[in-house]
Amino acid sequence: EAGVAQSPRYKIIEKRQSVAFWCNPISGHATLYWYQQILGQGPKLLIQFQNNGVVDDSQLPKDRFSAERLKGVDSTLKIQPAKLEDSAVYLCASSPSQNYGYTFGSGTRLTVV
Amino acid sequence: GQSLEQPSEVTAVEGAIVQINCTYQTSGFYGLSWYQQHDGGAPTFLSYNALDGLEETGRFSSFLSRSDSYGYLLLQELQMKDSASYFCAVTMDSSYKLIFGSGTRLLVRP
Repeated sequence: EAGVAQSPRYKIIEKRQSVAFWCNPISGHATLYWYQQILGQGPKLLIQFQNNGVVDDSQLPKDRFSAERLKGVDSTLKIQPAKLEDSAVYLCASSPSQNYGYTFGSGTRLTVV
Repeated sequence: GQSLEQPSEVTAVEGAIVQINCTYQTSGFYGLSWYQQHDGGAPTFLSYNALDGLEETGRFSSFLSRSDSYGYLLLQELQMKDSASYFCAVTMDSSYKLIFGSGTRLLVRP
């Protein structure tokens, strides 16, 4: 079974620029999550999708972050404009349904300078 | 607010046993999960406890006491490859979204 694919692996941008991350979950997994992990901390949920609908985006800074899940499969997370404090690893995870035991991708490490 | 407390660092010797504790204060509780993360890697799922008691999976065991809002991860026969960060995470409701602790960095010495 292929894992959760994320790209790019690394990204360096200047503050106020925009950036987008892509996630391809495990085939058939209905639930998809985006987490933000700042260095030295645990992951923090940004948004949860069930198929192509949003279940929870209460922690997503909607003035600058947006996310979508096309046709209930791939997902993109966008930041516009980026701030220095957005420097983190952005992790995508998926599960067959709303259940425990996610599979995480390797993440995108974003550095904002 | 929600909070999970776990030690920031633990050091142990190869072949030994180590226990990583986690206490939580959350407004809801479905279960407690444990994830392992090597530097630069993805978190990987280790275990999930919804009911009180001990769950064993190979060298790893996880315990939960709902009345004490407490759980632990027990790692036996430590190997060098077990050096990693370990996160406890609470599932608060049926959405199964996770609230993570800040992680415990385990260093296994020869």
